[in-house]
Amino acid sequence: AQSVTQPDIHITVSEGASLELRCNYSYGATPYLFWYVQSPGQGLQLLLKYFSGDTLVQGIKGCEAEFKRRQSSFNLRKPSVHWSDAAEYFCAVAPLTGSNYKLTFGKGTLLTVNP
Amino acid sequence: DTAVSQTPKYLVTQMGNDKSIKCEQNLGHDTMYWYKQDSKKFLKIMFSYNNKELIINETVPNRFSPKSPDKAHLNLHINSLELGDSAVYFCASSPENSYEQYFGPGTRLTVT
Repeated sequence: AQSVTQPDIHITVSEGASLELRCNYSYGATPYLFWYVQSPGQGLQLLLKYFSGDTLVQGIKGCEAEFKRRQSSFNLRKPSVHWSDAAEYFCAVAPLTGSNYKLTFGKGTLLTVNP
Repeated sequence: DTAVSQTPKYLVTQMGNDKSIKCEQNLGHDTMYWYKQDSKKFLKIMFSYNNKELIINETVPNRFSPKSPDKAHLNLHINSLELGDSAVYFCASSPENSYEQYFGPGTRLTVT
């Protein structure tokens, strides 16, 4: 069955530290890959996406993610975290065809930023 | 502002009642979605409409009925509300043939 796993339920980092959020997927073929962020009380905002090509993708808010086919991973990275980055982060996937553009989300990773 | 908007933002109601949540997008998108986010933040798609036509209908109780009067609006009507319906409901939209979904701010439904 197709699935998305975010192994870390909750991560705490200090402001200014680097961040890496993990995402692994299980699909028959490489799917489309996304990272969304949900700030407290808000809807989800798309940070970045991978469809094909360069495996390192840049997104908004200083985020980047690297697609690693062999590891079936799409980890999100940020070099220096700001207090405003505290939020819930969701990895999502969609198959290349036949899905009616349906996204399957991971269960999210809550990021806490310490001053 | 261009956006996906939902009303109401909060909805508190008693079991057995019928309620509706409205969603509007002025982004010119052709596809709209309803998601349910449970208390553990798990986000699951419920329905999707493309140009007023239902294209995704996940395993959702018949008490939930989406209605799309035009491609800019997708409303969610819930009959005979149950405690387990308490959640945050998100509306989203995307351009046709695109995976880039834009989310509304959510409606927090509490059933007592």
